[in-house]
Amino acid sequence: QQQVKQSPQSLIVQKGGISIINCAYENTAFDYFPWYQQFPGKGPALLIAIRPDVSEKKEGRFTISFNKSAKQFSLHIMDSQPGDSATYFCAASEGGSYIPTFGRGTSLIVHP
Amino acid sequence: GAGVSQSPSNKVTEKGKDVELRCDPISGHTALYWYRQSLGQGLEFLIYFQGNSAPDKSGLPSDRFSAERTGGSVSTLKIQRTQQEDSAVYLCASSPGLLGTQYFGPGTRLLVL
Repeated sequence: QQQVKQSPQSLIVQKGGISIINCAYENTAFDYFPWYQQFPGKGPALLIAIRPDVSEKKEGRFTISFNKSAKQFSLHIMDSQPGDSATYFCAASEGGSYIPTFGRGTSLIVHP
Repeated sequence: GAGVSQSPSNKVTEKGKDVELRCDPISGHTALYWYRQSLGQGLEFLIYFQGNSAPDKSGLPSDRFSAERTGGSVSTLKIQRTQQEDSAVYLCASSPGLLGTQYFGPGTRLLVL
């Protein structure tokens, strides 16, 4: 059973556009929601993370929106750039657990 | 300082052979994790170490998989009698402690022919 469902599987955006990736979870005990960015040939790197006590967190062009009642969270990349082209993974973990449950990833391509 | 390093970066082996994958965590990081990433899939947790001990081995897919960590540093993931379905990218991550941010290495790409 997939505990974190991520969509879309792939996304193509024009430079300057907004990229939106969505994740939904089932375990209401999850209380930490990180996003990872992975470039080809590299390991994933933590991009931004949120806890359920806030509905939004912004870092530069990257924003996480969190909807606790819907058990959904999303990553928005504003003014998308070709350098943002990568695979993005959402994840979720619960307090006291150190092993995040990952979504299956979204391959983002930003065309110049 | 240096990040997490893994070796080899690529490994091609024949079905039935044994392989060893190595992970050098960030110096001082007490927690170390192994994941498997298959094409189109997320990260599958395999095992973690706190120091040299591995309290949770539940993620290992079969008894052909084992891992050890020595000196609280380097870890080795061993796969015996490899099968084609073992082909994947094996990622190692380390963190300053449990619950800390995990820093990933570049992975070892394993191809079993």
